[in-house]
Amino acid sequence: DQQVKQNSPSLSVQEGRISILNCDYTNSMFDYFLWYKKYPAEGPTFLISISSIKDKNEDGRFTVFLNKSAKHLSLHIVPSQPGDSAVYFCAASGATGRRALTFGSGTRLQVQP
Amino acid sequence: DSGVTQTPKHLITATGQRVTLRCSPRSGDLSVYWYQQSLDQGLQFLIQYYNGEERAKGNILERFSAQQFPDLHSELNLSSLELGDSALYFCASSPELGNTEAFFGQGTRLTVV
Repeated sequence: DQQVKQNSPSLSVQEGRISILNCDYTNSMFDYFLWYKKYPAEGPTFLISISSIKDKNEDGRFTVFLNKSAKHLSLHIVPSQPGDSAVYFCAASGATGRRALTFGSGTRLQVQP
Repeated sequence: DSGVTQTPKHLITATGQRVTLRCSPRSGDLSVYWYQQSLDQGLQFLIQYYNGEERAKGNILERFSAQQFPDLHSELNLSSLELGDSALYFCASSPELGNTEAFFGQGTRLTVV
């Protein structure tokens, strides 16, 4: 049973527009959420995180929104750039991040110039 | 460069064989995590070590084992290999028990033929 789901395997957007990547989770014990970006032949790279006590966290062009009642989070990238083209993984953890990460299956983002 | 080093980068071996994957964490990081990524899947947590001791286990097969040495490097041993064990194996490290913003290595691509 997948506890973290990324239902869109791929997403294509135009450069300069907004990219919205979605993630749903089922485990109510998750209280810390992260987004990782992965380029081919590289390991995942941490992008941004959010604790369950917040509903929004912003870092430059990247914003993560958390809707606890819907068990849903999203990553917004504005404006999108061709260098953002990668696979994005949503991950969740319990005990304020002290538990191992549970990853979604990833969304491949393609930003068209 | 995340500071986490995994060797080898690629490994091709036959069914029934045994292999050892090595991970050197970032300098000063005490926690090491192993994850498996099968084709087009998310990363599956295998096992965590903290300062030489096993701290958490995920979906790790009995044919797999790991250890963390006094110098904090870790090895993942995979035995009686099957075709289905072909995957990317990632190591990640973090300073403390929590794995918020864990840093990942580039991974070892294992191909079992």
